[in-house]
Amino acid sequence: ELKVEQNPLFLSMQEGKNYTIYCNYSTTSDRLYWYRQDPGKSLESLFVLLSNGAVKQEGRLMASLDTKARLSTLHITAAVHDLSATYFCAVEEYKLSFGAGTTVTVRA
Amino acid sequence: NAGVTQTPKFRVLKTGQSMTLLCAQDMNHEYMYWYRQDPGMGLRLIHYSVGEGTTAKGEVPDGYNVSRLKKQNFLLGLESAAPSQTSVYFCASSERRTNTGELFFGEGSRLTVL
Repeated sequence: ELKVEQNPLFLSMQEGKNYTIYCNYSTTSDRLYWYRQDPGKSLESLFVLLSNGAVKQEGRLMASLDTKARLSTLHITAAVHDLSATYFCAVEEYKLSFGAGTTVTVRA
Repeated sequence: NAGVTQTPKFRVLKTGQSMTLLCAQDMNHEYMYWYRQDPGMGLRLIHYSVGEGTTAKGEVPDGYNVSRLKKQNFLLGLESAAPSQTSVYFCASSERRTNTGELFFGEGSRLTVL
């Protein structure tokens, strides 16, 4: 059974500092997705990573994929309040399996 | 452009009652999914469909049934609701003929079973 583990599960960020969320998974998949969810809202696609070494960046967020290590990272640069949300990674085998999510709070 | 639409958005049921959640997508996607979201557990796949007239079980299918009679619609049914089915339900769709297989989600349906 595919397992997807995120850490940390909760992350309190200080504005202006850098942080990383980790996503480990147990399969040899080379397809990984990052989603964002605001409280009470749906999930919004952030990044689609389709091969080993893939790196995608959007604003203050950068995601990377290392399929050999079965690890993806979501790096946050100079955190701002607008980034407060829950972030999920999801790995595709024959279907998407989601991690438990990382709830991010950005404080001044 | 509606995308993925779920109805109803909120529902309260008593134990043993039945109900159906409707998901409609206007993107002509082949694949559709029903997930449930519970605190600290991420999203868990209930059932999915890879095309009109097909359905398959996901991780947590017990107590739910689904139907995909039309390509654009995917229905999730609860025949006899239980308090353990209190959750937020998300429908999603994807077009697997593209490279990404990226999922597009509905707004969610919050179900409470008393």
